[in-house]
Amino acid sequence: DAGVTQSPTHLIKTRGQQVTLRCSPISGHKSVSWYQQVLGQGPQFIFQYYEKEERGRGNFPDRFSARQFPNYSSELNVNALLLGDSALYLCASSSFGGETEAFFGQGTRLTVV
Amino acid sequence: GESVGLHLPTLSVQEGDNSIINCAYSNSASDYFIWYKQESGKGPQFIIDIRSNMDKRQGQRVTVLLNKTVKHLSLQIAATQPGDSAVYFCAENMLNTGNQFYFGTGTSLTVIP
Repeated sequence: DAGVTQSPTHLIKTRGQQVTLRCSPISGHKSVSWYQQVLGQGPQFIFQYYEKEERGRGNFPDRFSARQFPNYSSELNVNALLLGDSALYLCASSSFGGETEAFFGQGTRLTVV
Repeated sequence: GESVGLHLPTLSVQEGDNSIINCAYSNSASDYFIWYKQESGKGPQFIIDIRSNMDKRQGQRVTVLLNKTVKHLSLQIAATQPGDSAVYFCAENMLNTGNQFYFGTGTSLTVIP
């Protein structure tokens, strides 16, 4: 079985640009969460989607948005990129919407220059 | 100029010794906890979880202890191997927040052959 897959693996963008990151959850998982991990820190929660509905939002600006598709894959969009948005963006999938183990993908390394 | 960033706690152990990694969590309402292992350039890997109605759980070579009184978690790794070298994070999940996890700073474990 494939694990959580994320694309692209690496990305370089210029300040002010927009970026879309993609995530495919483990087959059968209906919940996807997004995290931002800055170098040297633990992952920080951005969004959770379950059954295509937003179930949770972390303390991130409105420049960050996400959605979940009928096949449970998900996209994270970031507009008006700032240098501080440079980070590893992680997607995690789980079977249910709450309090179950979450499995992470390898992440997308975003560099904003 | 001033450097900004977090310095991970570090732990060095001899191969074959037991390792103990500690974590203080922040919210007494948290009821589910996961330990993750993260190797360089990879996403966090699920190791073991524990719910708040338990104080100990064992896996293969790993044991998690939960002390709710002092809001403390520990991860014990038996017979530590070079492949155990990584950054270890504890993550807490709070009641009614779905799969929204809050991660600690992490501990960098180095196993000396």
